[in-house]
Amino acid sequence: GESVGLHLPTLSVQEGDNSIINCAYSNSASDYFIWYKQESGKGPQFIIDIRSNMDKRQGQRVTVLLNKTVKHLSLQIAATQPGDSAVYFCAENDSGNTPLVFGKGTRLSVIA
Amino acid sequence: KAGVTQTPRYLIKTRGQQVTLSCSPISGHRSVSWYQQTPGQGLQFLFEYFSETQRNKGNFPGRFSGRQFSNSRSEMNVSTLELGDSALYLCASSLEWGNSPLHFGNGTRLTVT
Repeated sequence: GESVGLHLPTLSVQEGDNSIINCAYSNSASDYFIWYKQESGKGPQFIIDIRSNMDKRQGQRVTVLLNKTVKHLSLQIAATQPGDSAVYFCAENDSGNTPLVFGKGTRLSVIA
Repeated sequence: KAGVTQTPRYLIKTRGQQVTLSCSPISGHRSVSWYQQTPGQGLQFLFEYFSETQRNKGNFPGRFSGRQFSNSRSEMNVSTLELGDSALYLCASSLEWGNSPLHFGNGTRLTVT
């Protein structure tokens, strides 16, 4: 498979446990945030997004939390499964005035 | 609904050559963006097009160019290839220009020798 990042931070989680992936952003004007999942050999896959007028948004087994005060974004995955193993990227922009800027990514490894 | 389609999937070129990559967006999507992905730099923005107009351009040399057609399909071209251009080139489409999710294709893996 392809290596999307040779020296990415890695999070190892036991199957069934919850995972929390963190992301810090620097642009205080950013008001739109997205999480992507990238599996080997594939393009990034949209997971969930959140706008700056919200602090929390939930999807199926995933929750995104936004703390604008400290410019921090997190993705929580409930009951982590082997199929969740991938690289996760956060991305941000400011109302479309700038293109989506991606973080460096975090590799999630699920231990069966 | 079919996803974003990129062709070719793999490409091997020699230094100094030029290459054209193609992208077909999701039906109904009018915005197309291109990103370069490398292990060292991550995902770097190249261009963004909406209704055949380039809306944003990333910090890449002029050897990198792109265009969008009236049917929203897009191409990007890299001339005078360098070894450092070896990367995964990702195309993404979205319904609108601006703050809506990008939906990515699986990319074109370009190797320059």
